Amino acid sequence: EAGVAQSPRYKIIEKRQSVAFWCNPISGHATLYWYQQILGQGPKLLIQFQNNGVVDDSQLPKDRFSAERLKGVDSTLKIQPAKLEDSAVYLCASSLGLTGSSYEQYFGPGTRLTVT
Amino acid sequence: GQQVMQIPQYQHVQEGEDFTTYCNSSTTLSNIQWYKQRPGGHPVFLIQLVKSGEVKKQKRLTFQFGEAKKNSSLHITATQTTDVGTYFCAGREMNTGFQKLVFGTGTRLLVSP
Repeated sequence: EAGVAQSPRYKIIEKRQSVAFWCNPISGHATLYWYQQILGQGPKLLIQFQNNGVVDDSQLPKDRFSAERLKGVDSTLKIQPAKLEDSAVYLCASSLGLTGSSYEQYFGPGTRLTVT
Repeated sequence: GQQVMQIPQYQHVQEGEDFTTYCNSSTTLSNIQWYKQRPGGHPVFLIQLVKSGEVKKQKRLTFQFGEAKKNSSLHITATQTTDVGTYFCAGREMNTGFQKLVFGTGTRLLVSP
């Protein structure tokens, strides 16, 4: 079974530029998550999708971050404009579980973003 | 909001020594998961605990969920160099509709041969 795919793996941009990350979850997984992991910290949930609907985006900085999951499969996360503090690894994860269920999450390799 | 803290933040052991990391939540949890993240890697699911007082074992790893469902622990017996990585607990708060998973601060384990 193929795992969660993410691209690009690395990205370096200057502050105020925009960037987009792509995620392809495991086939059949209804729930998709985007996490931000700053060096030395645990992953922080940015947004959670159930199929193509948003379940939770309470920690998404909506003035600069946006995400979509068209057709309930692939997802993109965009930052515009980027700030220095956005430097982190952006992890995508997916799970079988429906809202309220407790299924293990499968993580992709992540995209390491450096903002200079 | 819900906070999940882990101690210690970092531990360096000699191969063969035991290791324990403790996880404490500010709120009661419906369940807790544990993940391992190797250096430069991504989190990998280890186990999920659901019941109060539950204890589960995976070879040299023992996981425990507290009676009050607000804390958990992971104990590794006779560590090996392959155990190196950061261990995260992640808890789902009770009584929230979608049960967001909140990751702990992590414990970084270094094992010297």
